[in-house]
Amino acid sequence: DAGVIQSPRHEVTEMGQEVTLRCKPISGHNSLFWYRQTMMRGLELLIYFNNNVPIDDSGMPEDRFSAKMPNASFSTLKIQPSEPRDSAVYFCASSLSDSYEQYFGPGTRLTVT
Amino acid sequence: DAKTTQPTSMDCAEGRAANLPCNHSTISGNEYVYWYRQIHSQGPQYIIHGLKNNETNEMASLIITEDRKSSTLILPHATLRDTAVYYCIVRVEGTGNQFYFGTGTSLTVIP
Repeated sequence: DAGVIQSPRHEVTEMGQEVTLRCKPISGHNSLFWYRQTMMRGLELLIYFNNNVPIDDSGMPEDRFSAKMPNASFSTLKIQPSEPRDSAVYFCASSLSDSYEQYFGPGTRLTVT
Repeated sequence: DAKTTQPTSMDCAEGRAANLPCNHSTISGNEYVYWYRQIHSQGPQYIIHGLKNNETNEMASLIITEDRKSSTLILPHATLRDTAVYYCIVRVEGTGNQFYFGTGTSLTVIP
């Protein structure tokens, strides 16, 4: 198995632009998580899906952030408009429901100038 | 989920045992203790978890005190590749499988 796949690996954009991060979970996993990591705040859970349905989005910082999971093999995290404070590494992870083990992707390093 | 307290950083000599402590004094009876680690620039990786009995796998051992208010992750023979941030997390099984990672302990294995 290729593991969790994220794209792009690096993204540099200007303030105000729309950014879309993509994630392909491990085949057969039915839970998907989006995390954000910064030096100041550490690793934060943004949202998670179970069977393609958003279960908890309380970590989504504000309305500029949105996440979708149109099918079991694909999810997006969109930021519109982006701001410099959104600069971070964004991780996607997947697991089987109620499993203790989450598998993380390599992350997308986002820089907003 | 119960809050955990970990030292910010630790050093360990290569080949020696690394003992990483975690305090979780408000843990509930049905909350498990989980350990993940994050090697630089990678996503976190599951290590081990337990409820009240000590656990061991190919990566590490987990020692949970009898009152369950603290635990220790033991890497028996630390290598340079074990240099990472180690996260101790407590959560209830079956409440959804999200994890809240906190700030963890930065372990540096010294040659």
